[in-house]
Amino acid sequence: DTGVSQDPRHKITKRGQNVTFRCDPISEHNRLYWYRQTLGQGPEFLTYFQNEAQLEKSRLLSDRFSAERPKGSFSTLEIQRTEQGDSAMYLCASSTTSRLAGPYGANVLTFGAGSRLTVL
Amino acid sequence: QKEVEQNSGPLSVPEGAIASLNCTYSDRGSQSFFWYRQYSGKSPELIMFIYSNGDKEDGRFTAQLNKASQYVSLLIRDSQPSDSATYLCASQANAGGTSYGKLTFGQGTILTVHP
Repeated sequence: DTGVSQDPRHKITKRGQNVTFRCDPISEHNRLYWYRQTLGQGPEFLTYFQNEAQLEKSRLLSDRFSAERPKGSFSTLEIQRTEQGDSAMYLCASSTTSRLAGPYGANVLTFGAGSRLTVL
Repeated sequence: QKEVEQNSGPLSVPEGAIASLNCTYSDRGSQSFFWYRQYSGKSPELIMFIYSNGDKEDGRFTAQLNKASQYVSLLIRDSQPSDSATYLCASQANAGGTSYGKLTFGQGTILTVHP
């Protein structure tokens, strides 16, 4: 297992275009999270899944953002009609609720390397 | 007021010294607290977490939590140049399982350890 993988690592797009990011979590992890990080700030929670169910979505998240995890494995994050303010690092993380990981295993997030989005 | 605030940096310490990183939080419902390290251009990696008041030690790292004062800190003993990174403090609002992994991060403190 190579950890959490994200693709693409970098994406440059023009304002108004749609972009999609993919995340492959650690295989035995049933939880998958999307965070966004801008320069000089900490990551900001966007949404998360347990298996294929999207359990929570940030109130701050525009309806231009949508995320899926159709088979409970990889996830995609799509941003429609991108704006310059969407420029950020999009981080995916995963964790497990397995009892083998202990009572707080779901809190132990493993982050991917991120997908950096630049909107021109 | 931000939910999680970290002491303004950057923080510079000499090699071998103790680095002290501080964090305050505004949500009294916060139950769990985390320290992540993020090297420049890399993703955050978990250093340690703390749930109970008091100190928790792991090698050269000690996390301290004071829920009455809504204060969390991270001490790094015998600081090394390889410790130079941004340190992120994060809180989790509830102890419930559905909130696990949903973290609120501070803005981070840049630490530089110089030889």
